[in-house]
Amino acid sequence: DAGITQSPRHKVTETGTPVTLRCHQTENHRYMYWYRQDPGHGLRLIHYSYGVKDTDKGEVSDGYSVSRSKTEDFLLTLESATSSQTSVYFCAISELGTGGEVYGANVLTFGAGSRLTVL
Amino acid sequence: AQKVTQAQTEISVVEKEDVTLDCVYETRDTTYYLFWYKQPPSGELVFLIRRNSFDEQNEISGRYSWNFQKSTSSFNFTITASQVVDSAVYFCALSERIVNRDDKIIFGKGTRLHILP
Repeated sequence: DAGITQSPRHKVTETGTPVTLRCHQTENHRYMYWYRQDPGHGLRLIHYSYGVKDTDKGEVSDGYSVSRSKTEDFLLTLESATSSQTSVYFCAISELGTGGEVYGANVLTFGAGSRLTVL
Repeated sequence: AQKVTQAQTEISVVEKEDVTLDCVYETRDTTYYLFWYKQPPSGELVFLIRRNSFDEQNEISGRYSWNFQKSTSSFNFTITASQVVDSAVYFCALSERIVNRDDKIIFGKGTRLHILP
């Protein structure tokens, strides 16, 4: 199994507090992603990273920031949590496709998820 | 912009029936990849298949098969002789190369499949 761990796995917090979720990988993969999963919305991309200090926004980036200072760690921060950010958060990693493909064909390996409840 | 539509929110079939999950996508690129992932009740997300835009051959893996048609921008997934263990949420996803930003992978909303014994 790919080495990808998320912490914490469960967190309950109050509106207005800062929250940081951590994704740690031992695969030395270049790409890392944060998704949130909500009923009726499926998986939505929050932010992603294509290298150390290289990040970009996804579909639902408002209210979230990320940092990647090392290849193995990708942090997702909610500066001031709101109830609408109650969700299950998944981190994913991937590497370039093999076989000489010019473009990445990234198969995602997901972490186990972090369930965040904002009261 | 890229988009993945899974119009079927929830499907229920009786065990041993065949079932097809639909996936329609939109992309500006000529080079892209399509994926299916499975999320069983335990919650983990499991990769099932990847298909690139230059390969329209259908693929079969045991009871699973995939039908990729560029003409209709569809990548449908069929389970033959369904089993209770196939009960899960299935996600279709699209990977589109963004210049200088590498791949961004977008998912559909998922189809929840119930296989009834």
